[in-house]
Amino acid sequence: QQPVQSPQAVILREGEDAVINCSSSKALYSVHWYRQKHGEAPVFLMILLKGGEQKGHEKISASFNEKKQQSSLYLTASQLSYSGTYFCGTGFGGATNKLIFGTGTLLAVQP
Amino acid sequence: KAGVTQTPRYLIKTRGQQVTLSCSPISGHRSVSWYQQTPGQGLQFLFEYFSETQRNKGNFPGRFSGRQFSNSRSEMNVSTLELGDSALYLCASSPSPLAGGGNEQFFGPGTRLTVL
Repeated sequence: QQPVQSPQAVILREGEDAVINCSSSKALYSVHWYRQKHGEAPVFLMILLKGGEQKGHEKISASFNEKKQQSSLYLTASQLSYSGTYFCGTGFGGATNKLIFGTGTLLAVQP
Repeated sequence: KAGVTQTPRYLIKTRGQQVTLSCSPISGHRSVSWYQQTPGQGLQFLFEYFSETQRNKGNFPGRFSGRQFSNSRSEMNVSTLELGDSALYLCASSPSPLAGGGNEQFFGPGTRLTVL
């Protein structure tokens, strides 16, 4: 039931791009993306909803393929501040805030 | 607007003891969810509360319980602590639950529980 993220880890140089994928075996109603820096709380980045609506950070882009039950987070022109662990959280039907989080992707941006 | 607050931030207990963790959501938010984060299991859902009612519970033993008060503050309790309960416990604050999980959630800094 836990969504699978890929890659597990990625190292970038400043200015490079990265894509993080999140795949679920169950039908999804929403996908949430969070970034967590070491020793800190996860920070909200974006929600993608079934039907195409998106809410989130202006500088972050993502896609949600409902049929394939997959989402991808696109990080372009990466900055040092992008470093951290990225989690996708999947939402389900019904009025609930319950999320099932993915395995996480560790992103390190180097100068 | 003040963020989510969690107390205490750090806690050290011994096996067999019990512990109570507290979470105060963002003003105006009435939904609180709790998650356990460990290096091996990642972020795992514990409970969701809205209007003092538990709406969802994760796959955890009955030693884990929680409640929500009329001011939306929430507490979780773990009884008969085990070594494996050592983790970061995070609470997330959100407005009323929306169908399909369409609300962004704001996490508190967490309580780091160590069980010796």
